[in-house]
Amino acid sequence: NSKVIQTPRYLVKGQGQKAKMRCIPEKGHPVVFWYQQNKNNEFKFLINFQNQEVLQQIDMTEKRFSAECPSNSPCSLEIQSSEAGDSALYLCASSLSGWSNQAPLFGEGTRLSVL
Amino acid sequence: QQQVRQSSQSLTVWEGETAILNCSYENSAFDYFPWYQQFPGEGPALLIAIRSVSDKKEDGRFTIFFNKREKNLSLHIKDSQPGDSATYFCAASGNTGNYKYVFGAGTRLKVIA
Repeated sequence: NSKVIQTPRYLVKGQGQKAKMRCIPEKGHPVVFWYQQNKNNEFKFLINFQNQEVLQQIDMTEKRFSAECPSNSPCSLEIQSSEAGDSALYLCASSLSGWSNQAPLFGEGTRLSVL
Repeated sequence: QQQVRQSSQSLTVWEGETAILNCSYENSAFDYFPWYQQFPGEGPALLIAIRSVSDKKEDGRFTIFFNKREKNLSLHIKDSQPGDSATYFCAASGNTGNYKYVFGAGTRLKVIA
């Protein structure tokens, strides 16, 4: 049973609408990742955090994606203006350490459908 | 550019056989390789992981064989069961400071009873 909690499980939006999803990492895990998994099962790294600080993020040139991990609140990923191509499974993962000694644990994901 | 490559998109084995899933990588800086199992409609679940200082890691029916020189690794699933039917992902990470993991495209395993 996953201890990374993602809500909602399903999200349906119209094009141009905002889409926001949340993630509660496993307790005590300071490193949080967001990945997008498309219908071909390909993983696309979006952003990761250590505590509240961004470690790395993709070049969100469209600036439609934003994410944060505030202290004492769930992490969130928001798409400002959804497009059909954003339809995917958004996966949040957390790990105890960023160093190569503990693999991230994933949540069940939020499946976004943009109509 | 595909940094982590899984050679088979799909694999079918009979129940009781050993399923072998292959993975190769390009970046010599990668030193940690987890494998994930994903069922339809679920998130990926961590199965087993290996560090590049080891050449073998075993956990129950699952074994990773790692060849650093050849930059490849394989996941062996012994005594495959129909419940093992899922998609398996090889991932890789290195001590580059940003902790990012790169994933292969996955191998869909089907175990026939």
